[in-house]
Amino acid sequence: QSALTQSPSASGSPGQSVTISCTGTSSDVGGYNFVSWYQQYPGKAPKLIIYEVTKRPSGVPDRFSGSKSDSTASLTVSGLQADDEADYYCASYAGSNKWVFGGGTKLTVL
Amino acid sequence: EVQLVESGGGLAQPGGSLRLSCAASGFTFDKYAMHWVRQRPGEGLEWVSGINSRSDNIAYADSLRGRFTISRDTGKSSLYLQMNSLRPDDAAFYYCVRGDGADWGTSFQYWGQGTLVTVSS
Repeated sequence: QSALTQSPSASGSPGQSVTISCTGTSSDVGGYNFVSWYQQYPGKAPKLIIYEVTKRPSGVPDRFSGSKSDSTASLTVSGLQADDEADYYCASYAGSNKWVFGGGTKLTVL
Repeated sequence: EVQLVESGGGLAQPGGSLRLSCAASGFTFDKYAMHWVRQRPGEGLEWVSGINSRSDNIAYADSLRGRFTISRDTGKSSLYLQMNSLRPDDAAFYYCVRGDGADWGTSFQYWGQGTLVTVSS
């Protein structure tokens, strides 16, 4: 179980779009459509914002979208807002009832 | 409203033990898989262990090397993590997390606020 690879940081100006990537292998991201994304504010618990690669839980704005190509998943945040500034983590099922997270990306709204 | 409230964190000596608990409410506990996820201060998330709704399917992160044991009590709507042979690198916030299905589901749907484990002599 090796952690999924995320860029440590990303940034964008209000109103712009930013994409955060999450790279794994054929044993995790590439092998299953069980990629999810989590938003975490400092000192708070993570919150699910995308599941099964592209689906949004009720209440999550449609400015958040997910996709996957081969072993790389992506989270796109459109129409950036100040309160989108947070840490974002991807996660994937890795087979044998195990799960793996990415190292996290700190999103800064300029 | 789904609520997950962790307890049992605190200071333990290297080689010592702690038992974390998670009290669940706001949903039918025996219909969902549950997990523990940890986060060392200033670091990323790490899946620790999971247990399905019937307790007949349990999994652990390879890095734990058999030191932790997950369990659940349906009657008490509670999840537990018995942590033995604690090491300094086990120090972290430990989150109780509900899956989105009876078996493993596809995501970590609801999170508790976490309990802090410190390992130091």
